[in-house]
Amino acid sequence: EVQLVESGGGLVQPGGSLRLTCAASDFTFSTYWMSWVRQAPGKGLQWVANIKHDGSDKYYVDSVKGRFTISRDNAKNSLFLQMNSLRAEDTAVYYCARVYMGVFPTHFDYWGQGTLVTVSS
Amino acid sequence: DIQMTQSPSSLSASVGDRVTITCRASQSIINFLHWYQHKPGQAPKLLIYAASSLQSGVPSRFSGSGSGTDFTLTISSLQPEDFATYYCHQSYSTPYTFGQGTKLEIK
Repeated sequence: EVQLVESGGGLVQPGGSLRLTCAASDFTFSTYWMSWVRQAPGKGLQWVANIKHDGSDKYYVDSVKGRFTISRDNAKNSLFLQMNSLRAEDTAVYYCARVYMGVFPTHFDYWGQGTLVTVSS
Repeated sequence: DIQMTQSPSSLSASVGDRVTITCRASQSIINFLHWYQHKPGQAPKLLIYAASSLQSGVPSRFSGSGSGTDFTLTISSLQPEDFATYYCHQSYSTPYTFGQGTKLEIK
């Protein structure tokens, strides 16, 4: 069974940094695009970033461009999200999700349980 | 950005009811439309992909239809475990966007 386990969340002050990790198992991680999706308290889901299977292409929602960096280590079956210059509006549960690949990347077929990031002084 | 508008935002229904949730895209997304179920404290779960394809392991009471800009998710006979929030999601273009969610509650 595919497993995605996020870690690294916590409380951080505005302007601070945090690095999230998603540990993947029971599938060939190096052949899948991966994503981060977040949910702010009381709000809906918001896609944050995508990364191609080999790390060569990355895409971001405008609100995190220049502050967040998605990356991966295929040798360690791990996905990362480096978050800098954090703002209160970045407070959310962050989910790691596997992207199903048809001709194009499409839907998120497996998700982790999420890790909570709280940005507050 | 493609805007996804879901309706209703909340819905009260009883076990055994037939329920339909709609999702409208601000431009054509062909069939790059997917539906997820989300319960508090759990990982979101894929129900329907490519507008009408049932994800493996998902009960057949869930179905999806539509193309272009208008899509629907139907639950043919509500079960107690179906009370949750449902989201549509477009992957036609980045930034990928979700509908605002439909919270399905017990009447």
